[in-house]
Amino acid sequence: EDQVTQSPEALRLQEGESSSLNCSYTVSGLRGLFWYRQDPGKGPEFLFTLYSAGEEKEKERLKATLTKKESFLHITAPKPEDSATYLCAVPNQGGSEKLVFGKGTKLTVNP
Amino acid sequence: GAVVSQHPSWVICKSGTSVKIECRSLDFQATTMFWYRQFPKQSLMLMATSNEGSKATYEQGVEKDKFLINHASLTLSTLTVTSAHPEDSSFYICSARLLAGVTQYFGPGTRLLVL
Repeated sequence: EDQVTQSPEALRLQEGESSSLNCSYTVSGLRGLFWYRQDPGKGPEFLFTLYSAGEEKEKERLKATLTKKESFLHITAPKPEDSATYLCAVPNQGGSEKLVFGKGTKLTVNP
Repeated sequence: GAVVSQHPSWVICKSGTSVKIECRSLDFQATTMFWYRQFPKQSLMLMATSNEGSKATYEQGVEKDKFLINHASLTLSTLTVTSAHPEDSSFYICSARLLAGVTQYFGPGTRLLVL
């Protein structure tokens, strides 16, 4: 069973059209949930780390929230430059240092 | 802060040669660095975890004799792809974690093409 599931796989928005990306996880004893942005041909860029249910973090047009089962990445009034693949990751269930990544949501924002 | 660099950004080599990729944490010390591989339209796959001063831990299915990892200092880890073959062509990305931290910060990646 996948530990991290992201939805939707792809999302097309018009500039200014707000929406949310979902990341659901099944690990217990969460030691952090991470959001990254990845542009084509580049390494992931760190966005947020969330540690406990109810926590929220914001950066420009992005806001990440966390519950006991899932996290949302809200995008308010997106711009074309927000187009990227957004990755969610959690530390592996076994307590090792490795991160388990979701398959990502590819966001396209049309002008 | 938390900047990670990789060198080279891209490399083309002939089959059978070895290629070394460097990963550096520029503004912080990292006891642990990670090496990932990413194929087109797929997510990141962890290859190995590199701890400063000790042997790397490889994920199942990753050949440790083919992918040599050295983590000689708190700011530098290297990945050497030995006797590279076309199937090793991929996007290799490293990450580093702050001392006593949880978050991983990624480098810009290295594109390897083996002819």
